[in-house]
Amino acid sequence: QVQLVESGGGVVPPGGSLRLSCEVSGVTLNRISMHWVRQAPGRGLEWVTIIASDGSRIYYADSVKGRFTMSRDKSKNAVYLQMSSLRAEDTAVYFCAGDSGDYKFDHWGQGILVTVSS
Amino acid sequence: QTVVTQEPSFSVSPGGTVTLTCGLTSGSVSTSHYPSWYHQTPGQSPRTLIYNTNTRSSGVPDRFSGSILGNKAALTITGAQADDESDFYCALYVSTGLWVFGGGTKLTVL
Repeated sequence: QVQLVESGGGVVPPGGSLRLSCEVSGVTLNRISMHWVRQAPGRGLEWVTIIASDGSRIYYADSVKGRFTMSRDKSKNAVYLQMSSLRAEDTAVYFCAGDSGDYKFDHWGQGILVTVSS
Repeated sequence: QTVVTQEPSFSVSPGGTVTLTCGLTSGSVSTSHYPSWYHQTPGQSPRTLIYNTNTRSSGVPDRFSGSILGNKAALTITGAQADDESDFYCALYVSTGLWVFGGGTKLTVL
């Protein structure tokens, strides 16, 4: 059974940086594409970024391009989201989500809250 | 910028049928967008209902079905139950490597 566990959230001032982690169990990263999806308080889901299962392709939403960097560590079976130049509008619960094929978000973590505030 | 549209809210009677839609502000939704559907109750992670237009995720009852209706993707719920009351989101694969979620539909069962 695939399980995803996020960590690293917290409060950060505007302009600051934070790194989120998502530990993956039940599947190896070379068999699953991994996304980050966020949800601002009281708002809908927003897709943020994806790293393909082969690790060679990473794509970003325009809203975070140039500020956020997704990466992975196969030895730890984990993915990361390095966030910099944070803005108030980046305040959200961040979910990692896995796609084991067929273009879907079929595994979800419990989410981790990031609050950008002075 | 690609915008995916959903009805902000919908109401259905218990036992009734409701169809939620997922469109694009420019263009038509097709199977090439690999439409998928998720529902989410407050404080919980989303749960996958439908993927690849009309494939039910494991464990999802056949009361939920997906399709393309006209120029939109659609999620039909038949025999609505009280615990179907939640937020429903669609997601579309809009170009290479890029995904967009719709704004979500808040479904009320009453």
